Amino acid sequence: DAGVTQSPTHLIKTRGQQVTLRCSPKSGHDTVSWYQQALGQGPQFIFQYYEEEERQRGNFPDRFSGHQFPNYSSELNVNALLLGDSALYLCASTAAGAPGYTFGSGTRLTVV
Amino acid sequence: KQEVTQIPAALSVPEGENLVLNCSFTDSAIYNLQWFRQDPGKGLTSLLLIQSSQREQTSGRLNASLDKSSGRSTLYIAASQPGDSATYLCAVRPIQGAQKLVFGQGTRLTINP
Repeated sequence: DAGVTQSPTHLIKTRGQQVTLRCSPKSGHDTVSWYQQALGQGPQFIFQYYEEEERQRGNFPDRFSGHQFPNYSSELNVNALLLGDSALYLCASTAAGAPGYTFGSGTRLTVV
Repeated sequence: KQEVTQIPAALSVPEGENLVLNCSFTDSAIYNLQWFRQDPGKGLTSLLLIQSSQREQTSGRLNASLDKSSGRSTLYIAASQPGDSATYLCAVRPIQGAQKLVFGQGTRLTINP
């Protein structure tokens, strides 16, 4: 049973560019959340998608946007990249009403 | 605003010791609390989840307790092993804004052979 799958594993982008990160939830899960984890910090909530709608959003600028597809997979898009966007981006999935979350291995984004 | 604090930030102990990691949160209105393990540069592995109505959960050498009224949780690791070396994160799921987890900054644990 595959867990949460994220791609790519690593990514290097130039300041000002745009990036798309992808996530496939665990089988049976329909809800996907995205988190940003800076080095040495705990993960920070970006937003959550359920039924292809953004259900809740954390304190992140509009440069961060997302999408959920009918098969429950999700994308995180970041526009106009800043050096400060360098971080590990984590995707987490759950089933509606379930108590816990399952996390993927993350995408390491480096902005130069 | 819910805030989660983990103390200590780093801990180094010899193999075989029993140890306790601490987590505190400012708002007791939570659905649950979850402990995770994170190896360097990797994702999060769920260790234990405690519902707000529960006092503790156990899995193997791990035991997590929850005192919601005082805003505290502890993770007890028995007979520590070098393979336990990792960062341990606690996260609460608040009742208000229940779609997100609020994380502490983690405790970086090193077990010395």
